[in-house]
Amino acid sequence: QVQLQESGPGLVKPSETLSLTCVVSGYSIRSGHYWAWIRQPPGKGLEYIGIISHTGRPYYSPSLKSRVTMALDTSKNQFSLDVRSAAAPDTAVYYCARMIADYDYFDYWGQGSLVTISS
Amino acid sequence: QSVLTQPPSVSAAPGQKVTISCSGSSSNIGIDYVSWYQQLPGTAPKLLIYENDKRPSGIPDRFSGSKSGTSATLGITGLQTGDEADYYCAAWDNSLTCEVFGGGTKLTVL
Repeated sequence: QVQLQESGPGLVKPSETLSLTCVVSGYSIRSGHYWAWIRQPPGKGLEYIGIISHTGRPYYSPSLKSRVTMALDTSKNQFSLDVRSAAAPDTAVYYCARMIADYDYFDYWGQGSLVTISS
Repeated sequence: QSVLTQPPSVSAAPGQKVTISCSGSSSNIGIDYVSWYQQLPGTAPKLLIYENDKRPSGIPDRFSGSKSGTSATLGITGLQTGDEADYYCAAWDNSLTCEVFGGGTKLTVL
């Protein structure tokens, strides 16, 4: 069974970098598919942040592209997200998920990690 | 505003049927598969339908999906109180080069 677990600080100061890690178990991230970050501001809908392929190629949302970096760490079977210059609108529950290549759906999700941007 | 358009809310009585629409364009639903997700209160989204009309293992056949042109529909029959949740559609958008979600539909089982 594939499992994903997000981790990272729950509170980030404005203008600093929001950093999260997603540890994957039950599947080797280098084997295939894409690895995704999706967020959900409090009381709002889902927002796609980006995906990274099993070879490490990222594809970012156009609205966040200038502030986001995703990376793979195959030695630890995990992937990461950095959002630079964090601001209050970045406050959200951040989910990591596996996206099935060519069919574009998310079959496994982490439980989510709430990140609050506040001084 | 979301790229995919869903009604904000729908409601129906237990045992009844409900449909949730998802409207897109030729750059997303018109050319790509649609998936649907159920988000129960306080939990992560869960895959409900993929490739327009396929159900993952464990999803009851009360849930169905269909697609026609640039729109998709999620159907739920035999409504139960446990179906109360937010439902989201999603598809890849070739123009934006990213996955896009609908704004979500809150289902209330009266």
